[in-house]
Amino acid sequence: EAGVTQFPSHSVIEKGQTVTLRCDPISGHDNLYWYRRVMGKEIKFLLHFVKESKQDESGMPNNRFLAERTGGTYSTLKVQPAELEDSGVYFCASSQDSLETQYFGPGTRLLVL
Amino acid sequence: GQSLEQPSEVTAVEGAIVQINCTYQTSGFYGLSWYQQHDGGAPTFLSYNALDGLEETGRFSSFLSRSDSYGYLLLQELQMKDSASYFCAVRDNYGQNFVFGPGTRLSVLP
Repeated sequence: EAGVTQFPSHSVIEKGQTVTLRCDPISGHDNLYWYRRVMGKEIKFLLHFVKESKQDESGMPNNRFLAERTGGTYSTLKVQPAELEDSGVYFCASSQDSLETQYFGPGTRLLVL
Repeated sequence: GQSLEQPSEVTAVEGAIVQINCTYQTSGFYGLSWYQQHDGGAPTFLSYNALDGLEETGRFSSFLSRSDSYGYLLLQELQMKDSASYFCAVRDNYGQNFVFGPGTRLSVLP
């Protein structure tokens, strides 16, 4: 069974540019989460999808961040325009029956210069 | 709001036993989870406690006391590969998302 995959693994962009991160959850997992870890600090929740619906997006920092999950399969997280403080590692996780057992992807390391 | 506290760093030697504590304050509580993250890697699920008591899985055990808002992860027979960051996490009052603690960096020395 393939795990959670994320693309790209790394992204270096300039302030003001746009970046789109992609997450492919484990097949059949309805729950999909986005998290961010900045500068080695705690892992911060961004939002939660159940299938294609946003269940909770209370962690999204501002309207520069847009997440979608069309068709309830893969998800994208777009940052537009990117700011310096957006740098960090963006993790995606998925789960099926148990919300406690989340399977994380390898993360996308975003650096905004 | 939610807040979790963990020690920032713990150091131990191979073969030893180490306990990583986690205290939490939440407006609602469903259970306490533990995740391990190696440098540059993805967090991986270790254990989950919804009820008071000790859950054992191999060398790792996790404990929860709901009345004390406290839990711990116990690692026995430490190995070098256990060097990593360990995060406790709780489900919030809506039960839909997780709040992670700041993480405890464990260093296992030879």
